[in-house]
Amino acid sequence: QQQVKQSPQSLIVQKGGISIINCAYENTAFDYFPWYQQFPGKGPALLIAIRPDVSEKKEGRFTISFNKSAKQFSLHIMDSQPGDSATYFCAAQNDYKLSFGAGTTVTVRA
Amino acid sequence: DAGITQSPRHKVTETGTPVTLRCHQTENHRYMYWYRQDPGHGLRLIHYSYGVKDTDKGEVSDGYSVSRSKTEDFLLTLESATSSQTSVYFCAISVSTGQETQYFGPGTRLLVL
Repeated sequence: QQQVKQSPQSLIVQKGGISIINCAYENTAFDYFPWYQQFPGKGPALLIAIRPDVSEKKEGRFTISFNKSAKQFSLHIMDSQPGDSATYFCAAQNDYKLSFGAGTTVTVRA
Repeated sequence: DAGITQSPRHKVTETGTPVTLRCHQTENHRYMYWYRQDPGHGLRLIHYSYGVKDTDKGEVSDGYSVSRSKTEDFLLTLESATSSQTSVYFCAISVSTGQETQYFGPGTRLLVL
């Protein structure tokens, strides 16, 4: 079964709006939580990542919020732009191996 | 692109035929991975390698084998391809920059008829 649960499956946001993607996990051995962005026909590209001893990390318009006690983490995309339209995957790492969420397709309408 | 190439990039084959996909890296990283990507499943680990001739299974390894005879090359073989193995296959490497982080290749789109 999927070790990382991701929602929603897809979302549509207006340009300038906020996109929020949520992920949850059960395995407390996970020690690193990256997010990947994927455009059609391309490989996933690392977007931003966080360790469980940090509650929030921000890089430009992208922010990860991490709740260790709830075993949940989320990606916020602020001021969404049409170029952000892509599929986003959360992941969790343990012992050099990644477990991925099922992905969220984000569409930003101009 | 993290110095990763995959070949072929596209392949169409028939059920029952053997298929080998190649992943090549240019920077001598120790860990290499093979994933498959299917709608609704994200990416799932097939096999990984932690050194020359050192490999281990992932969560969806049935029907696949791997080999790594050189640090730079990691091969994925479908011994007898089935239609359920139609997928997009990604190779990844793990890069240590204070934290082991995986970077992905461009993918191979495989269609098994």
